[in-house]
Amino acid sequence: AQKVTQTQTSISVVEKTTVTMDCVYETRDSSYFLFWYKQTASGEIVFLIRQDSYKKENATVGHYSLNFQKPKSSIGLIITATQIEDSAVYFCAMREEEGGRALIFGTGTTVSVSP
Amino acid sequence: GPKVLQIPSHQIIDMGQMVTLNCDPVSNHLYFYWYKQILGQQMEFLVNFYNGKVMEKSKLFKDQFSVERPDGSYFTLKIQPTALEDSAVYFCASSLDGGANTGQLYFGEGSKLTVL
Repeated sequence: AQKVTQTQTSISVVEKTTVTMDCVYETRDSSYFLFWYKQTASGEIVFLIRQDSYKKENATVGHYSLNFQKPKSSIGLIITATQIEDSAVYFCAMREEEGGRALIFGTGTTVSVSP
Repeated sequence: GPKVLQIPSHQIIDMGQMVTLNCDPVSNHLYFYWYKQILGQQMEFLVNFYNGKVMEKSKLFKDQFSVERPDGSYFTLKIQPTALEDSAVYFCASSLDGGANTGQLYFGEGSKLTVL
């Protein structure tokens, strides 16, 4: 069965620095997709970045990048040059390749960015 | 970007009553999902739906739950009868398809259900 684990419950950083969040996953499929979503204080859920399991190169979008270590079943999120508005709950999620499969979320990491 | 709309944003009902949560997915999307989030916790998958049928459901999708999308209208989650433990925020999501290139889900802003 699929499982996504985020062990860090909260992280506090000062703005303009870099924050790194961990995520490990379990799946029996050889092909799957990994995602990071952000949930703001208002509850809005926003897609950030995605990594396909068959791609070796780490995905990068804006100031978000991933550290994909397939042998360790790990997909870390790195946010560089953090801003106050990056304060949110970050969820790691996984989806197996078979069409329409459920997106399974981790428990989330709360990031607080202070001035 | 694409928007998923949810109605109502908040509903308070008495235990045992029926509730229907409505979702207007992104117009050309074909896969629909419901997630449940209890305050401060993770989003838990309930069910996904395609071509008029439930594809997968979790153990949280109790017999009292049902989903449908009649004639391309709202995608609905009905709970009948409700229980205290159904109090949560329910998020609807949709995706263009489930294929390799479009795994991204778009989420609504949630419907907060309070069961008294």
